[in-house]
Amino acid sequence: GAVVSQHPSWVICKSGTSVKIECRSLDFQATTMFWYRQFPKQSLMLMATSNEGSKATYEQGVEKDKFLINHASLTLSTLTVTSAHPEDSSFYICSARDRAGALYEQYFGPGTRLTVT
Amino acid sequence: AQKVTQAQTEISVVEKEDVTLDCVYETRDTTYYLFWYKQPPSGELVFLIRRNSFDEQNEISGRYSWNFQKSTSSFNFTITASQVVDSAVYFCALPDNYGQNFVFGPGTRLSVLP
Repeated sequence: GAVVSQHPSWVICKSGTSVKIECRSLDFQATTMFWYRQFPKQSLMLMATSNEGSKATYEQGVEKDKFLINHASLTLSTLTVTSAHPEDSSFYICSARDRAGALYEQYFGPGTRLTVT
Repeated sequence: AQKVTQAQTEISVVEKEDVTLDCVYETRDTTYYLFWYKQPPSGELVFLIRRNSFDEQNEISGRYSWNFQKSTSSFNFTITASQVVDSAVYFCALPDNYGQNFVFGPGTRLSVLP
């Protein structure tokens, strides 16, 4: 149980285009989902927290107009990188918290590797 | 604010050696949880352990063991008889005050050589 999927697992896009990444909780309902970014050889850094049906909360330094997050249902959150640039190339990981689980319990997706050329 | 330090950036050992990965944390909470995750080259985070601050007993799971010392705010991870498949980046993590954001340490890259 407690499986989180991400799609796509990797994507290459051209500079200036937008790309959407999906995060799904497959066997539980997630009121809260988190988006992390990980640059090569670095740790995971939280980008934003999304709650179902409300606006996402972005961490300091993360451009909300560039990284659009939508959490329209209890099992799906999407991250859209708009007007992508090479510096947005990174590994994006989502996690989800089971609405029936403990606050500290997060289940991580397998990640999406984004390369912007 | 929560903080996690993993002083060892990279460690290399030869197969069958024991290796200990250090984790030191800072928190103002009186009760908290600590986690260890493994990130193999594929990138997917693999959950290893969750420890409640109430429980200071050491834990062993196969070749893995964890030493939790509340007095020194450390939660160290030991792999006994390391194997090549243990090669990965290991992260220690601490949820924030509201159990929301995971604060990850910088990670320790472990290379186990045959």
